Amino acid sequence: EVQLVESGGGLVQPGGSLRLSCAVSGFTFSSYWISWVRQAPGKGLEWVANINQDGSATYFVGSVKGRFTISRDNAKNSVFLQMNSLRAEDTAVYYCARDTGGCDYWGQGTLVTVSS
Amino acid sequence: QAGLTQPPSVSKGLRQTATLTCTGNSNNVGYEGAAWLQQYQGHPPKLLSYRDHNRPSGISERFSASRSGNTASLTITGLQPEDEADYYCSAWDSSVSAWVFGGGTKLTVL
Repeated sequence: EVQLVESGGGLVQPGGSLRLSCAVSGFTFSSYWISWVRQAPGKGLEWVANINQDGSATYFVGSVKGRFTISRDNAKNSVFLQMNSLRAEDTAVYYCARDTGGCDYWGQGTLVTVSS
Repeated sequence: QAGLTQPPSVSKGLRQTATLTCTGNSNNVGYEGAAWLQQYQGHPPKLLSYRDHNRPSGISERFSASRSGNTASLTITGLQPEDEADYYCSAWDSSVSAWVFGGGTKLTVL
């Protein structure tokens, strides 16, 4: 069974940092791109970043460039999203998803709240 | 980064057919096609189709997707109460090297 499990969300002050993790099982992790997608409360989906199979290629939405980094550990079947200089508008549920030309498997999400 | 354009809401009757649209440009929808996702409140999205018309295993044949130029469409036949959900399209935008989403369409089954 394919599973993606996010962790690391929580409440953080503006300007702070958080590191999200996505633990994957049920498929050959090292063969797939992985994306992070977020959804602000009551809003639509927004793609945040993705990373290729060996971590050599990463892409980001413009609003997080220079603040977020994405990485992966294929030995541990995990993807990470390091979020720095957080802003109120980064408040959202963050999902990781298997990226196959459409995201075909999703985690349940982890909530990040940026507030003082 | 400009997103894709979807109508905010569509309402159709039980057992009718609904067609949802998603308009982009030649750098995204017209480039490699669109994907469609269904989302219920409080749940993660579920992929219904990808690269225009490919349906993942387990997705009902009542859901079919297509594309004409820079506009993608999702057609849902024989509407059921459980089809009431939010529907999103997405596409890779080659001009900005990023996935872009539509704003979502809330489908109401009357």
